[in-house]
Amino acid sequence: AQTVTQSQPEMSVQEAETVTLSCTYDTSESDYYLFWYKQPPSRQMILVIRQEAYKQQNATENRFSVNFQKAAKSFSLKISDSQLGDAAMYFCAYMRGNEKLTFGTGTRLTIIP
Amino acid sequence: DGGITQSPKYLFRKEGQNVTLSCEQNLNHDAMYWYRQDPGQGLRLIYYSQIVNDFQKGDIAEGYSVSREKKESFPLTVTSAQKNPTAFYLCASSIGRDDIYEQYFGPGTRLTVT
Repeated sequence: AQTVTQSQPEMSVQEAETVTLSCTYDTSESDYYLFWYKQPPSRQMILVIRQEAYKQQNATENRFSVNFQKAAKSFSLKISDSQLGDAAMYFCAYMRGNEKLTFGTGTRLTIIP
Repeated sequence: DGGITQSPKYLFRKEGQNVTLSCEQNLNHDAMYWYRQDPGQGLRLIYYSQIVNDFQKGDIAEGYSVSREKKESFPLTVTSAQKNPTAFYLCASSIGRDDIYEQYFGPGTRLTVT
């Protein structure tokens, strides 16, 4: 069974600085999708970024980018120029095709003004 | 505006009662999902449906039931057989084809059973 591990329960970063959230996963598949979701205090889950395993290029969405290391099964999220609105729980998730999402346990990110 | 609605936002029930959580989407998505979230944990899949009139059990389906009679709607019933029903419930949907699999979530329903 696929598993997703987020080893950092909590992280903090100064406003305007850069922070990296870690995620590793376990799978025997070669074709799959990886996602980062953000859950602010409102508890609405918001898609931040997605990565297809068959693409070597790392995905980027404005201040958010990933470092996808397929051989190492690592999928970290880098947030640049951190803003107060980035404070949230961040969940890494794995999906194979049109099957279920498997989530990690999350990292709580605090932004220090 | 297109989106996913869940109602109500907060729900209170007495132990032993069945309760149904609503999930509606107007995104024309084929696939819909129900997740449960407990403190300190990620989301766990309860049930999912990829087409109308068909659904599959997820990882924690015991004590829950669903129906998918319309593409737009995927209600979840929490039965009295669910031993620990108090949790935050999230509904999601996705196009589910053409390499478009990301899921979009509703605002959630907080269920408290006493």
